[in-house]
Amino acid sequence: QQPVQSPQAVILREGEDAVINCSSSKALYSVHWYRQKHGEAPVFLMILLKGGEQKGHDKISASFNEKKQQSSLYLTASQLSYSGTYFCGTPVNFGNEKLTFGTGTRLTIIP
Amino acid sequence: DTGVSQDPRHKITKRGQNVTFRCDPISEHNRLYWYRQTLGQGPEFLTYFQNEAQLEKSRLLSDRFSAERPKGSFSTLEIQRTEQGDSAMYLCASSFLQEGEKLFFGSGTQLSVL
Repeated sequence: QQPVQSPQAVILREGEDAVINCSSSKALYSVHWYRQKHGEAPVFLMILLKGGEQKGHDKISASFNEKKQQSSLYLTASQLSYSGTYFCGTPVNFGNEKLTFGTGTRLTIIP
Repeated sequence: DTGVSQDPRHKITKRGQNVTFRCDPISEHNRLYWYRQTLGQGPEFLTYFQNEAQLEKSRLLSDRFSAERPKGSFSTLEIQRTEQGDSAMYLCASSFLQEGEKLFFGSGTQLSVL
């Protein structure tokens, strides 16, 4: 079953912060985050594993709440380059390499 | 590391025609995936290979779809008797087993069926 992302779209001014959420009705073993710019390939950002660890990538970090079956992606002091659509992906089940992606969150950063 | 390359970038075909797409993964990657993406949606899994073995195929993939990865290198995805509903972006991704499930995607082949 497809994870649900919220919000569907958000517009920010450069320098503002954003949070993108990814929720699943199934148990989560890991959560993968990708960013896709218009007309380009999705690009890997990070993987969150069971244990609630928070990972960081530049000013982008994420958390994983296994109990709530959700992950959140935090974008701090957003830059124009952060614009794009963000997808979370979750394995179908433990040890399965197949990812089910959410519907995406479109982030637009304006100067 | 030249990245994952896909060919062609765009394909326009008439309904009922057959089409074939090619994907060249990153050379040392042993896993190769095909995903399909329609406008406003996330990528949907179609099938994946570990080396030359096709390990899983989605129920989304009808009998009109076939994928191969001879010798565990490049892969081809063929769609026979195309239908308008096949119009989508077909994405290929590869990964290296020892690096977990980090996927490297190609830029995709945009298929339009008229």
